[in-house]
Amino acid sequence: GAVVSQHPSWVICKSGTSVKIECRSLDFQATTMFWYRQFPKKSLMLMATSNEGSKATYEQGVEKDKFLINHASLTLSTLTVTSAHPEDSSFYICSAGGSNSPLHFGNGTRLTVT
Amino acid sequence: DQQVKQNSPSLSVQEGRISILNCDYTNSMFDYFLWYKKYPAEGPTFLISISSIKDKNEDGRFTVFLNKSAKHLSLHIVPSQPGDSAVYFCAASDPMNTGFQKLVFGTGTRLLVSP
Repeated sequence: GAVVSQHPSWVICKSGTSVKIECRSLDFQATTMFWYRQFPKKSLMLMATSNEGSKATYEQGVEKDKFLINHASLTLSTLTVTSAHPEDSSFYICSAGGSNSPLHFGNGTRLTVT
Repeated sequence: DQQVKQNSPSLSVQEGRISILNCDYTNSMFDYFLWYKKYPAEGPTFLISISSIKDKNEDGRFTVFLNKSAKHLSLHIVPSQPGDSAVYFCAASDPMNTGFQKLVFGTGTRLLVSP
């Protein structure tokens, strides 16, 4: 069964609104979770590393004020796309893993901004 | 700068035959490599991994080969089955510097296994 749960699986929002995506580790504690973005027919691009109890670490070129990450507990990280625009439409995926195990991925969230 | 490359965007194989998916990397600090399988609108599913101290790792129908000097790895699936049809991503990490779990992904290869 799934060990990483991501919600919602798809969302449509209007331009200018904010959208929150949740990522939960179901049967393990994750001090670190990762957020990826995938454009059509492209690779998964790491956006940021979510650290429990501290600030997220963003990759170069990713706007931290646009993509707010909160990792308030050992089983939950959230990504909020603020003031969404059509160019933010994409497939967002989170991942988490135990300390020495391969990452497990959520099923992703398809965001469409109209 | 694409540090992990999968130069074949697609591959078609007949059922029962071997599928060979290739991956090249440029960062010599990469020390741990993984293959993931992905269906549309789903997250990637872990298949198999290999660390740089090995040159081969086998799990059932899946075998990963690593050639460190060539900075090349490959995934062999034998025998291939129609259910293997998916996009396969190669990924790498640099455990010593950026951590075991921070993965860099290739662009993926779409495998189609026909009956």
